[in-house]
Amino acid sequence: DIQMTQSPSTLSASVGDRVTISCRASQSISSWLAWYQQKPGKAPKLLIYKASSLESGVPSRFSGSGSGTEFTLTISSLQPDDFATYYCQHSRTFGQGTKVEIK
Amino acid sequence: QVQLVESGGGVVQPGRSLRLSCAASGFTFSSYAMYWVRQAPGKGLEWVALISYDGSNKYYPDSVKGRFTISRDNSKNTLYVQMNSLRAEDTALYFCARDRGGTYSYYFDYWGQGTLVTVSS
Repeated sequence: DIQMTQSPSTLSASVGDRVTISCRASQSISSWLAWYQQKPGKAPKLLIYKASSLESGVPSRFSGSGSGTEFTLTISSLQPDDFATYYCQHSRTFGQGTKVEIK
Repeated sequence: QVQLVESGGGVVQPGRSLRLSCAASGFTFSSYAMYWVRQAPGKGLEWVALISYDGSNKYYPDSVKGRFTISRDNSKNTLYVQMNSLRAEDTALYFCARDRGGTYSYYFDYWGQGTLVTVSS
């Protein structure tokens, strides 16, 4: 099975910061990657699919990049609503999550 | 608008069974593959079952294979998962989710609010 590893596990940032979260696959997955945002007690929300395609309704400050084994989720200017946990996903496997907290 | 509403969770003893339901509305349910995904308290996300749009194909991870059975009733716009031989490690919030592309894209574009299953004696 392909393993998905995110880094960092926790990230402290301030409103307005540029934030990047990394996700590494244990073998090449082409561009078959999604990113989700989850807030406590809520369902995950799809942000990015096919590594870089922005889901409808998701703010343009979110972007995804990468292919093969290395992927990145970038938030260009962190907003108060963005403090949450982010997961990458390939097929049946999710990364372990990255919590973005207030610095 | 698309809505997925799970029900059927609760407290159950180890070894017992439980059936969860997910009522879908706001889209053509019979055109979409559907999933169950769970999240243990304080932990990450784990996919637990997939069913094709017509119910002809079903897939499970090893952790639940042989114990969980996913099904659907397209006439009732409802997804199910029958969970047998429950274990403490099955304790989790169970979400149903829709396949964004309709067929096995594994991109989950709509989720329910989840139903909590607690396995405890």
